Amino acid sequence: EIVMTQSPATLSVSPGERATLSCRASQSISSNLAWYQQKPGQAPRLLISGASTRATGIPARFSGSGSGTEFTLTISSLQSEDFAVYYCQQYNNWPPDTFGQGTKLEIQ
Amino acid sequence: QVQLVQSGAEVKKPGASVKVSCKASSYTFTNFGISWVRQAPGQEPEWMGWISTYNGNTQYSQKLQDRVTMTTDTSTNTAYMELRSLSSDDTAVYFCARKPTGLPLDIWGQGTMVTVSS
Repeated sequence: EIVMTQSPATLSVSPGERATLSCRASQSISSNLAWYQQKPGQAPRLLISGASTRATGIPARFSGSGSGTEFTLTISSLQSEDFAVYYCQQYNNWPPDTFGQGTKLEIQ
Repeated sequence: QVQLVQSGAEVKKPGASVKVSCKASSYTFTNFGISWVRQAPGQEPEWMGWISTYNGNTQYSQKLQDRVTMTTDTSTNTAYMELRSLSSDDTAVYFCARKPTGLPLDIWGQGTMVTVSS
């Protein structure tokens, strides 16, 4: 089973600044990587699929990159509503859908 | 709009079973599989399994395969997940999510809190 590792566990950033979140797969997953945002008491929301394709309605300040084993989610100018937990998930070697342990993005 | 609506919170005793429902609307139910994912407090999501709404085929996590059953009712566009022999380790929020073939989980239910306590 593929293991997804996210870093850092917690990221403190000020509103208006850029945030960069990382995700590493234990073996190559091509570009079959998704990013989700989760706020307290809510379900995860799909942000990015195919490593770099924004889901419907996701603002352009969210961008994804990478392939193989190394992936990045960048939020270019943080808004107050962006502070949440972010998960990466691989769907290349399915089943299962495997999630990372998450990065909590908090206000500095 | 496309949505999945789940049944309400449950409190169960150890050893009991729970059955959670997930009703789909505003899309063709049988065109997309349904995955079930659970999330214990403060933890990452954990994939439990998947069911084809087209023919009922299932894939279960190895960890849960002896205790979980996933079914669908295409007449009501509803998916079900039953988990048996509950223990405190099963206390979590349970989500259903739409699974397009070869793609990630794009639509999620609101979640169902299941608490296992004596």
